[in-house]
Amino acid sequence: DGGITQSPKYLFRKEGQNVTLSCEQNLNHDAMYWYRQDPGQGLRLIYYSQIVNDFQKGDIAEGYSVSREKKESFPLTVTSAQKNPTAFYLCAAQEPITDTQYFGPGTRLTVL
Amino acid sequence: GDSVTQMEGPVTLSEEACLTINCTYTATGYPSLFWYVQYPGEGLQLLLKATKADDKGSNKGFEATYRKETTSFHLEKGSVQVSDSAVYFCALSGYGGTSYGKLTFGQGTILTVHP
Repeated sequence: DGGITQSPKYLFRKEGQNVTLSCEQNLNHDAMYWYRQDPGQGLRLIYYSQIVNDFQKGDIAEGYSVSREKKESFPLTVTSAQKNPTAFYLCAAQEPITDTQYFGPGTRLTVL
Repeated sequence: GDSVTQMEGPVTLSEEACLTINCTYTATGYPSLFWYVQYPGEGLQLLLKATKADDKGSNKGFEATYRKETTSFHLEKGSVQVSDSAVYFCALSGYGGTSYGKLTFGQGTILTVHP
C-alpha cells in the first residue's frame, strides 16, 4: 500500500522536552514537506527537502529541526525553543512535474 | 509573492444544493492549481488539479476550471451530499525563483451539508 505514514497519531509532551515526529514515504519522491496547522487555520510551511541530505527553512522554522538522511524518511523535531508547539503537523511528499503533494494522516501534538 | 484567497466560510448547505467555493490567486508565471479536501482529524487529500489555462479538473462530481484571465479556480458541484462535509483548500504551485515547486494554500473553507 503506497503512501505517506506519520507516527504517532497523537503525541503529548511536557514543556521543555524535545519530541520527534516521524514521516515515511514509499512513493519514491525526492521532495518532502512539513506543515503546521492550527485550529481553523490554513497550512504553514515549516521545512522542506528537495533531495537527500539537503533541506530548507520554510516560513515558520524557528524552534524546529529536520534531517533527511534517507529518501524515504523526513523526521521533524520540535524543540523546547518552540514557544507554542501544540498543533496538528502534516507531512507531504511531492510528485515531480505535476507538483502534486500527497499528505500523511498527520500527528496531533499537545504540550501539557 | 504568491498568494491564494478563498471565500470565507463556513458554508452551510442542504443536501442536493449547488456548491461554489471561490478561489482567486496571485502568482508569477504559470502555476498549477489544486483543490484539496480535509476530513476531520485527517490529512489533506487531493481532490482535483489543473496544470494550464482553460484546463478543467474534475473528480467525484466536483469541477474547477483554470481561468488565467480572471486568476480564478472556483470549485463547483451540482448536488452536494452529507459526506461532502469537510474543509476545502485551494492551492497553487510556485513557478519561478525560490517559490518553485512549493505549494501556497488558501485559508480553507469549511463546508457543512445537512440532510
